[in-house]
Amino acid sequence: QVLLVQSGAEVKKPGASVKVSCEASGYTFTTYDINWVRQAAGQGLEWMGWMNPKSGDTGSSLKFQGRVTMTRDTSTRTAYMELSSLRSEDTAVYYCARGLSPLWLTTARGVRSAADYWGQGTLVTVSS
Amino acid sequence: EIVLTQSPGTLSLSPGGGASLSCRASQAVSGNYLAWYQQRPGQPPRLLIYGASTRAAGIPDRFSGSGSGTDFTLSISRLEPEDFAVYYCQQYGISPCSFGQGTRLEIK
Repeated sequence: QVLLVQSGAEVKKPGASVKVSCEASGYTFTTYDINWVRQAAGQGLEWMGWMNPKSGDTGSSLKFQGRVTMTRDTSTRTAYMELSSLRSEDTAVYYCARGLSPLWLTTARGVRSAADYWGQGTLVTVSS
Repeated sequence: EIVLTQSPGTLSLSPGGGASLSCRASQAVSGNYLAWYQQRPGQPPRLLIYGASTRAAGIPDRFSGSGSGTDFTLSISRLEPEDFAVYYCQQYGISPCSFGQGTRLEIK
């Protein structure tokens, strides 16, 4: 079955960086994109960006451009999201999520995809 | 960026009844690439509907999606206790993707 397993909770100081991992199993890693979404406590979902695990291409919300880096290691089927220059407002649960539609389809149509499988979430706390 | 506005913010209903949740976009959603998710406390979101009206795998037919352009609706019939949760719409036709702020469905 499809599983996305994320790394454990992190506590960081303001100004530091955090790198969250997302290990995929149960499907061909390079066939579907990976999205990153975050959620502050009691708040809604916030889309951060996406990554094509096959090509390494990425795209992100304007809000995070310059601060977020999405990478992958295809040998371990793991996606990574690194957020830099952390501030208290970045305290949130960070989710990775697999795109529903295969990359050949989304690439051909020039669109992204809804997310059908989600990781369990990683709590990142930014505090001095 | 497309802004999605969901209404109402909170919907109080009784089990067995029906619910209608709205999602309005600031501009037309290309290709009706609009999804609905359900989120229960302490859990990641669960995909319900994609392409505005296609149910995701394993989603009961009590859930249905409709709409096009800028106005979309999630309808839930015969509300079950487990349906009381927060619901989000998301557009994914144009990057950056965006979510609505959510509608909380609570037991009356």
